[in-house]
Amino acid sequence: KAGVTQTPRYLIKTRGQQVTLSCSPISGHRSVSWYQQTPGQGLQFLFEYFSETQRNKGNFPGRFSGRQFSNSRSEMNVSTLELGDSALYLCASSLEGRMLTDTQYFGPGTRLTVL
Amino acid sequence: GENVEQHPSTLSVQEGDSAVIKCTYSDSASNYFPWYKQELGKRPQLIIDIRSNVGEKKDQRIAVTLNKTAKHFSLHITETQPEDSAVYFCAGLRGSNYKLTFGKGTLLTVNP
Repeated sequence: KAGVTQTPRYLIKTRGQQVTLSCSPISGHRSVSWYQQTPGQGLQFLFEYFSETQRNKGNFPGRFSGRQFSNSRSEMNVSTLELGDSALYLCASSLEGRMLTDTQYFGPGTRLTVL
Repeated sequence: GENVEQHPSTLSVQEGDSAVIKCTYSDSASNYFPWYKQELGKRPQLIIDIRSNVGEKKDQRIAVTLNKTAKHFSLHITETQPEDSAVYFCAGLRGSNYKLTFGKGTLLTVNP
């Protein structure tokens, strides 16, 4: 089975631009979560999608948004980029997002640099 | 919301020694505590987890203990090897909430 894939792997943008990142979960997985990883803040939860619905959201501004398609693929969008948005963005998938019974598998991440 | 604190931030041990990483959490309703290992340039991988109805869990050289009263849990690695060198993250979760809260990570270096 193919693992979680993310595209693109690297991205360079300038302040004020917007960006869209993509995540393809493991086949059969319906839950996709997104995390931001920075040296100072570590791993922070952005949001989680299941069956095209956002079930939970972290403490990020409205510039961060996401969606999930019927094939469980997910995208996240960041508008009006700021320097502080430079980070590794990780997505993770699991069967149904039930942490007590499912295992969450991470993708390789997208390294976003904002200049 | 949940807050997870992790200590130490860096840990250096000699090959063959044991390593212990500790985490505390704030939400007494949290009931699931996974540990992830992230090697340099790679994705985090789940190495062990524990649920709040269990006090200890072991998998070969890795063990996790949970003290619900004190709201802390620990990762124990015995007979460390150079390939154990990585950043280790603890996390906490409430069962009804699909949102993992991570600690800031511990950089473990195992010196040959």
